[in-house]
Amino acid sequence: GAGVSQSPSNKVTEKGKDVELRCDPISGHTALYWYRQSLGQGLEFLIYFQGNSAPDKSGLPSDRFSAERTGGSVSTLTIQRTQQEDSAVYLCASSLDRSTPTDTQYFGPGTRLTVL
Amino acid sequence: GNSVTQMEGPVTLSEEAFLTINCTYTATGYPSLFWYVQYPGEGLQLLLKATKADDKGSNKGFEATYRKETTSFHLEKGSVQVSDSAVYFCALRKAAGNKLTFGGGTRVLVKP
Repeated sequence: GAGVSQSPSNKVTEKGKDVELRCDPISGHTALYWYRQSLGQGLEFLIYFQGNSAPDKSGLPSDRFSAERTGGSVSTLTIQRTQQEDSAVYLCASSLDRSTPTDTQYFGPGTRLTVL
Repeated sequence: GNSVTQMEGPVTLSEEAFLTINCTYTATGYPSLFWYVQYPGEGLQLLLKATKADDKGSNKGFEATYRKETTSFHLEKGSVQVSDSAVYFCALRKAAGNKLTFGGGTRVLVKP
């Protein structure tokens, strides 16, 4: 079956521009996660969705970052007024049911964001 | 808070050598523990997991045992191949939580 897909795979933008990153989770997965992978900070959690609501936004680094999920499926991560420190690989993951100990998160290939 | 510490790399080995990557964690309660692998140019893939003390996760010749008494989840493989060259991440997830907390990753390079 299809895995988690993300688009674009690469995005180069100028400082100060807004960007949107898209994630298509595995069909039927109710939980969706965004992480960021950068050289200095490793793998960091950003936000978690259960259905269309986001009960945990604790990892969003600033109010320039926002995310939404519609129809319990596709999610968009938006970064406004991008800064050079936003350069990273943004990873999306989805899982079937976060309430069970064996729940497994499956990751997409990521979007590599470069802010010039 | 929760944290995961794993040995820094890079780890360079010859083919058929024994591999150990140490991972220790700090968490309250009984988290689930995971090893993810990232092959060159590819995304994160789940390698193995364990959800309670003394559980052993295994996959592709890799093993890791959930040790509550030492708060560890060390990854081992008895005979590595060139194709095992990758970055390995140890991670935990709280029992009733959602997010994964990752270690810093360990790059492994296996030479023929």
